[in-house]
Amino acid sequence: EAGVVQSPRYKIIEKKQPVAFWCNPISGHNTLYWYRQNLGQGPELLIRYENEEAVDDSQLPKDRFSAERLKGVDSTLKIQPAELGDSAVYLCASSSSTGGLRDIQYFGAGTRLSVL
Amino acid sequence: KNQVEQSPQSLIILEGKNCTLQCNYTVSPFSNLRWYKQDTGRGPVSLTIMTFSENTKSNGRYTATLDADTKQSSLHITASQLSDSASYICVVRPDRGSTLGRLYFGRGTQLTVWP
Repeated sequence: EAGVVQSPRYKIIEKKQPVAFWCNPISGHNTLYWYRQNLGQGPELLIRYENEEAVDDSQLPKDRFSAERLKGVDSTLKIQPAELGDSAVYLCASSSSTGGLRDIQYFGAGTRLSVL
Repeated sequence: KNQVEQSPQSLIILEGKNCTLQCNYTVSPFSNLRWYKQDTGRGPVSLTIMTFSENTKSNGRYTATLDADTKQSSLHITASQLSDSASYICVVRPDRGSTLGRLYFGRGTQLTVWP
């Protein structure tokens, strides 16, 4: 069974340009997360979905970041316009709610964004 | 403030040697603690998950311990291999409440195993 799939793996853009990341979670996982990870740091939650509903987006910079999860499966994360400080790895993860608080998050390989 | 602190920040050991990584947390109320391994260029992969009633949990050559009273955890790696070179991240999940079950991540310990 395929794990969490993210694309693209790498993206280089100039500042002020838009960029979008795509995530396909593990089949059957109703919870989906987007994280941002800076070099030498742990992942930082941006948004969490339960099916189609964003249940925790308090750390998403809403002035330039947006996300959607249509039909409760795939998800896209968009940045418009990108700033130099947005350079980071963007990780997508999914989990099954049947595990409750012990649910294991499965991470994708991430998209490494470089803003020039 | 909910925080997860890890030490050391980085560690270099020779192949075959053992090592122990430390994690201190202030997350409350506590639900469970996880250790993840993150290879370079990959996403984190879960190694162990422990609740407050579990003092020790093993996964092959990895053994995690938890002291919920002192809010400390350790990850012990036995007979290290070159493939153990990675970042090891301590993650704490609070019980349900205002944080909506959000995970708190440490910065990780970067382990390098030399031949």
